[in-house]
Amino acid sequence: AQSVTQLDSQVPVFEEAPVELRCNYSSSVSVYLFWYVQYPNQGLQLLLKYLSGSTLVKGINGFEAEFNKSQTSFHLRKPSVHISDTAEYFCAVSDSPGNYGGSQGNLIFGKGTKLSVKP
Amino acid sequence: DVKVTQSSRYLVKRTGEKVFLECVQDMDHENMFWYRQDPGLGLRLIYFSYDVKMKEKGDIPEGYSVSREKKERFSLILESASTNQTSMYLCASSFPSFTSGSTYNEQFFGPGTRLTVL
Repeated sequence: AQSVTQLDSQVPVFEEAPVELRCNYSSSVSVYLFWYVQYPNQGLQLLLKYLSGSTLVKGINGFEAEFNKSQTSFHLRKPSVHISDTAEYFCAVSDSPGNYGGSQGNLIFGKGTKLSVKP
Repeated sequence: DVKVTQSSRYLVKRTGEKVFLECVQDMDHENMFWYRQDPGLGLRLIYFSYDVKMKEKGDIPEGYSVSREKKERFSLILESASTNQTSMYLCASSFPSFTSGSTYNEQFFGPGTRLTVL
């Protein structure tokens, strides 16, 4: 079974500093990977996704992530954070890519990383 | 834009009550999901549905049931609410997308319902 590990439950950082949120996954097959963001009192919003091709994926709000197959990682980065980036971030992997139907292609989420940006 | 709405943002119920959480999506998506979100545990899948009147158990279905009579609406039912069901409940919908011969679901989430069971 696939799983996702987010290595840090909380990441405090000062405004304009760079940040990296770490995500590792376990899978024996090809995977699709996602990062979602949840702002306070809101649902989840897709930041970016990796399906195939270039291992560096750019998303919204200046975030990017790099897929590393040998290290089974998909870390999220931003070179300079803002107060408004304070949120919880979830890494997710699509389970059992395969034929269409049933549970194929459902998402398995990590436990989340709370990013706190301080002035 | 895809819109997923949930009937209540905040809900307070008493132990033993029957609770209905409603979710509606406006993009004709085939798949719909119910998750609960608890601090330190992330999102856990309760039930999902990939077609009208179809449902499948997720990782934590105990104590819950679902109903999908129409494509756009997916209801989560707590037959007899208990205090350990106090949580944030998130609904999502998705369409299956295909790439390189495989399927993935890009999910769109509602704002969530924070349920407190007293």
